[in-house]
Amino acid sequence: QTVVTQEPSFSVSPGGTVTLTCGLSSGSVSTNYYPSWYQQTPGQAPRTLMYSTNTRSSGVPDRFSGSILGHKAALTITGAQADDESDYYCVLYMGSGTWLFGGGTKLTVL
Amino acid sequence: QVQLVQSGSELKKPGASVKVSCKASGYTFTTYAMNWVRQAPGQGLEWMGWINTNTGKPTYAQGFTGRFVFSLDTSVSTAHLQISGLKAEDTAVYYCVRDRGQTLDYWGQGTLVTVSS
Repeated sequence: QTVVTQEPSFSVSPGGTVTLTCGLSSGSVSTNYYPSWYQQTPGQAPRTLMYSTNTRSSGVPDRFSGSILGHKAALTITGAQADDESDYYCVLYMGSGTWLFGGGTKLTVL
Repeated sequence: QVQLVQSGSELKKPGASVKVSCKASGYTFTTYAMNWVRQAPGQGLEWMGWINTNTGKPTYAQGFTGRFVFSLDTSVSTAHLQISGLKAEDTAVYYCVRDRGQTLDYWGQGTLVTVSS
């Protein structure tokens, strides 16, 4: 059973830089998995941040960036702000229209 | 602009059925697939499956076969999720999400289904 792995939690100081990662329990994440990233605050629907590894969704500030780092997909937030405190989820495309979500990372800004 | 508007919260008893709707606007409904995602209280996002809005063919993820049915009413650009034989563990927020081709882009606002006696 393939699992998408994310850090359960992360902390960053205001103005700092943080990189969240998205891996696979077996194998490496590549652009062929079209990794996407979503931001969710309590009680709200997820917001699409990034898709196809590094394409920002409309309206997403450029301090959010996506990449492949080693064998994982990565979301980097540069100059973290208080309202970046959220849950972040990645999802990977597994082929034939199927997707697999990671367990999410709870980001704290303090 | 693209919008996915879901039906309102539901409170159901164990064993009952529920049908959640997701009305799309701002694009041609049959062009893109529709996915369903579940989020149990305090938990992460779980992909349930998708329906081909052109052919009506559903595909269900492991764990979502049998009691879960995806359907369409293309005349009103609406996707439906029906869950039968509800259990307490079905209590969750259910989201519809558009897939425009290797990209889950637009999300509905979510529908809370609560199963309680």
